[in-house]
Amino acid sequence: DGGITQSPKYLFRKEGQNVTLSCEQNLNHDAMYWYRQDPGQGLRLIYYSQIVNDFQKGDIAEGYSVSREKKESFPLTVTSAQKNPTAFYLCASSKAGAQSSSYEQYFGPGTRLTVT
Amino acid sequence: GIQVEQSPPDLILQEGANSTLRCNFSDSVNNLQWFHQNPWGQLINLFYIPSGTKQNGRLSATTVATERYSLLYISSSQTTDSGVYFCAAEYYGGSQGNLIFGKGTKLSVKP
Repeated sequence: DGGITQSPKYLFRKEGQNVTLSCEQNLNHDAMYWYRQDPGQGLRLIYYSQIVNDFQKGDIAEGYSVSREKKESFPLTVTSAQKNPTAFYLCASSKAGAQSSSYEQYFGPGTRLTVT
Repeated sequence: GIQVEQSPPDLILQEGANSTLRCNFSDSVNNLQWFHQNPWGQLINLFYIPSGTKQNGRLSATTVATERYSLLYISSSQTTDSGVYFCAAEYYGGSQGNLIFGKGTKLSVKP
């Protein structure tokens, strides 16, 4: 089945530790995205990548890092510099649009990160 | 800044009732999507609708781009429709692929 997988579903870390969240897609999409959701809120964009080996900061990139070495994979690292890392993290993918065009985004099941 | 506003924030329905959820956006959009977030957090795509009208079973959506709003209609609601409904818009001139989300409408359908 085609889709987006995220692992793990739940993740617990101690403050001060870096942690990497996995996102894999087999939809043959060029573009991938990471969003963060806080309780009772909508999603906010952390990073996105339109093509392999290239990525851009979103609205709330501070304290996060990403890599895009393969088309299928877009891991997100939550660093110790992120002040409030506890949140629900969602990965998405879409076809890549040319400037001023856009395609539907599809989301993975998410990872709930708790940092204490 | 660019905003997406949804109303109402909360909605309680009796099973079988109809409802309309509204999404207002503050600028011209490339992309507008409606999602249903289930109790496990999964975002389920309902409609990709930057303009026009679409229908899928008991759900339909209309976006009037010139007036900067979109409506999601749920007819004959069922308890499985419960959850949070999000509208998200990508703006012309914004970061490509940056969907701006509203805060959602929390729907509870009672049996």
